[in-house]
This record gives sequence, structure tokens and C-alpha cells, in this order.
Amino acid sequence: ETGVTQSPTHLIKTRGQQVTLRCSSQSGHNTVSWYQQALGQGPQFIFQYYREEENGRGNFPPRFSGLQFPNYSSELNVNALELDDSALYLCASSFGQGHPNTGELFFGEGSRLTVL
Amino acid sequence: GNSVTQMEGPVTLSEEAFLTINCTYTATGYPSLFWYVQYPGEGLQLLLKATKADDKGSNKGFEATYRKETTSFHLEKGSVQVSDSAVYFCALIDGPGNQFYFGTGTSLTVIP
Repeated sequence: ETGVTQSPTHLIKTRGQQVTLRCSSQSGHNTVSWYQQALGQGPQFIFQYYREEENGRGNFPPRFSGLQFPNYSSELNVNALELDDSALYLCASSFGQGHPNTGELFFGEGSRLTVL
Repeated sequence: GNSVTQMEGPVTLSEEAFLTINCTYTATGYPSLFWYVQYPGEGLQLLLKATKADDKGSNKGFEATYRKETTSFHLEKGSVQVSDSAVYFCALIDGPGNQFYFGTGTSLTVIP
């Protein structure tokens, strides 16, 4: 069973640039969610994709966008990067839309983005 | 709204000491509660969960009881090991959509 994989693991961008982060979900999982984890903080929910459609979004501006592909892999795109976007971006996969009683997320190791 | 508050670290304990990491929550509905753990160099992984009041989640010697009356889900272990050194996150989900709300994490270091 293949776990959640993310790429790249580290990257450096400058303010105003755009970035794309990628995630392959765990085998058999059809739901992917993305989280931002700033240094010393807990993960903050960005959005979730289920069957290629966004079905939940946290308090992030529209310059954070995403895609889910037919094989359930996913991308997170961030436009017009700001210094505060520097963080660890975590992808998590699960099966189904997440009935609260199932709940388990399977996380990748993250992509660490530094914005200069 | 929904939120999770957990005790700040870092926490340093000697091997075989008793561990408690406090977690309290605020939720609009009837949340499920979780503890996730992040070992050095690894992704977050589920440690234990409880889906309704008075449930006790347990795994690897860790326990936490869902206390609705005190809105708490404190993590405990009777005898910690060096291999328990990690960052521990308390979290909840409340309703459909599977949005998790995480606490800020508590770093635990266990020394021999």
C-alpha cells in the first residue's frame, strides 16, 4: 500500500511568484485535503477535494486554489505569494467525504515553502 | 466556532515518567476528537480517537477520554519511553466536510 507522497519537499520562492505543490493520495482514497502549518502552529485547513470537486474551504483567500485529478492526486496552487505564505503545506487523504465517525486522515510529510 | 486549545510545551520528561497533555475544545455540534502525533522527520499520524462522550481512545499505551462536561480530551500515558519523543496534536472534526481543527501542538522530549 503506497502512502501519501508530496512534492517538492522544499522550495524557495520570491514574493509575487506562483507555486504549485503536488500530492498523490494513498491507494484507495478518493478525498484529499490540504493544510497549512506555520512554524510552531497546528495545521490550518485550506480546502478539501472529493471526486474532483472542492467540497470544503477554510479561511484562505482565492489566490489559494486547487485541483483533483481522476486518479485522485491533487495540486495546490498559490498565486501572488506573500511572505506569510512561508509554511509547511500538508496533504492528507481519506476515503469518502469524511463522515465524522471515520475521521482518520493519512498525511504526507509536507512541502516546506519559503517565500523571500 | 470550533477550536482546540492544548497545553504549551515543550515538555521534557525522564523515561518511565507519567505524561499528561491537556486539551480542551470548543465546538458548535457534537465533535469527534483525535490525537495525532508527528515523529521527527515523519508526517502526522493518528494516535487515537473518540467519537462520542465518555468514549476512551487508546493506542500504544496512550489513553484519552472524551469528557463533554469539561469539553476536554487530555492525553495520558503511564510510563513514557524515549521513542515517544514527538509533537502531539489534539484535533476535532464537527459535522460533514471533514474539516479538522488542530491545536498548536505540544512537543515532548523523553530523556533516558
